[in-house]
Amino acid sequence: NAGVTQTPKFQVLKTGQSMTLQCAQDMNHNSMYWYRQDPGMGLRLIYYSASEGTTDKGEVPNGYNVSRLNKREFSLRLESAAPSQTSVYFCASSGFGGGGYEQYFGPGTRLTVT
Amino acid sequence: TQLLEQSPQFLSIQEGENLTVYCNSSSVFSSLQWYRQEPGEGPVLLVTVVTGGEVKKLKRLTFQFGDARKDSSLHITAAQPGDTGLYLCAGAYTPLVFGKGTRLSVIA
Repeated sequence: NAGVTQTPKFQVLKTGQSMTLQCAQDMNHNSMYWYRQDPGMGLRLIYYSASEGTTDKGEVPNGYNVSRLNKREFSLRLESAAPSQTSVYFCASSGFGGGGYEQYFGPGTRLTVT
Repeated sequence: TQLLEQSPQFLSIQEGENLTVYCNSSSVFSSLQWYRQEPGEGPVLLVTVVTGGEVKKLKRLTFQFGDARKDSSLHITAAQPGDTGLYLCAGAYTPLVFGKGTRLSVIA
């Protein structure tokens, strides 16, 4: 049981390059999320998927696209990277557990755009 | 508008001291969660509080949910260097609403 896995762990891009961040969960959760975390800004929601086949914008969706490939996988794509997208990106999934609605995070992808 | 305000933003204390961090909102939440994030890792769920006035203990950590379900506190007794990290509260909306966190440093 790996929980939430993310690839890659680190990435350096040049301005204008594209890339896809991959996320997978093995907890059979319906909901999945992409966040970015910047110093002093906390966790900001980029996109989320409440269930397979649906996606919704979060607080900061501009410059990103997502795909809910199946129940396990939720990818985040940067079509034309910008320095403002330098950040740590976290994927998460959620489901109901013993304590109610519980969210589990992956280890993060550290992205630098030069 | 930030739905969840956490205070203090930063806290640096000596090992063995006690501390309390706060999570406040003008909104009512059906439940509230606390997460801890260690450097280089993703946040990890510590506890969920559901009932107004509820108190939950996790070893040296005590979590309280306000009677009106608008605020919560986390008290750590005899802090240890292993408690160092970012403490985040999250309110039960869909999706979850996170505060900006309290960054705690416990110095040996």
